[in-house]
Amino acid sequence: DVVLTQSPLSLSVTVGQPASISCGSSQSLVFSDGDTYLYWFQQRPGQSPRRLIYKVSNRDSGVPDRFSGSGSGTDFTLKISRVEAEDVGVYYCMDGTHWPPYTFGQGTKLEI
Amino acid sequence: EVQLVESGGGLVQPGGSLRLSCAASGFTFSSHWMTWVRQAPGKGLEWVANIKQDGSEKYYVDSMKGRVTISRDNAKNSLYLQMDSLRAEDTAVYYCTRDCSSDRCPDRFDYWGQGILVTVSS
Repeated sequence: DVVLTQSPLSLSVTVGQPASISCGSSQSLVFSDGDTYLYWFQQRPGQSPRRLIYKVSNRDSGVPDRFSGSGSGTDFTLKISRVEAEDVGVYYCMDGTHWPPYTFGQGTKLEI
Repeated sequence: EVQLVESGGGLVQPGGSLRLSCAASGFTFSSHWMTWVRQAPGKGLEWVANIKQDGSEKYYVDSMKGRVTISRDNAKNSLYLQMDSLRAEDTAVYYCTRDCSSDRCPDRFDYWGQGILVTVSS
């Protein structure tokens, strides 16, 4: 199974400052169709997960443009250009290429 | 508006059984794979099982194989998870989430239910 390793596991950021979370995969996440099925989710305290980014860099509807995803192959990054208080929560990357099983990263807790 | 509403959770003794349900609305349920994901208290997300649109393909996490069965009723827009021989380590919030409807999967895990708590304890 693919192993996704996120870093850091915890992040304390001042409002207005940038934040960056890395997700490294034990295997390339490029699928046979040429797409890379790497996703990012946000889970605010007490809430269900919410998809932020699909296929590396595509932002979901309603997701602020301060969130961006990038990367290729085995190395991926979620960036928040200017952190806001509402961004507090845990962020997960997920592999949708080598399923089953779908694999999530350990999660990165973002605090203000 | 897409909605996924889980039900059927609760407290169950070790070795017991529970059937979770997920009622879907606001989209063409029969067009989507569907998935269950769980989250143990204070822990991360873990994929549990998924099922193809017509129920012809089902996949399970290794730790629950032989103890869990995913199913669906497209006429009722409902997804189910039958869990047997439950263990303390199955204690978690269980979420249903919408999965792929087509090639390239733009909609994989784009909507989630509110989650339902399953507690396995004597």
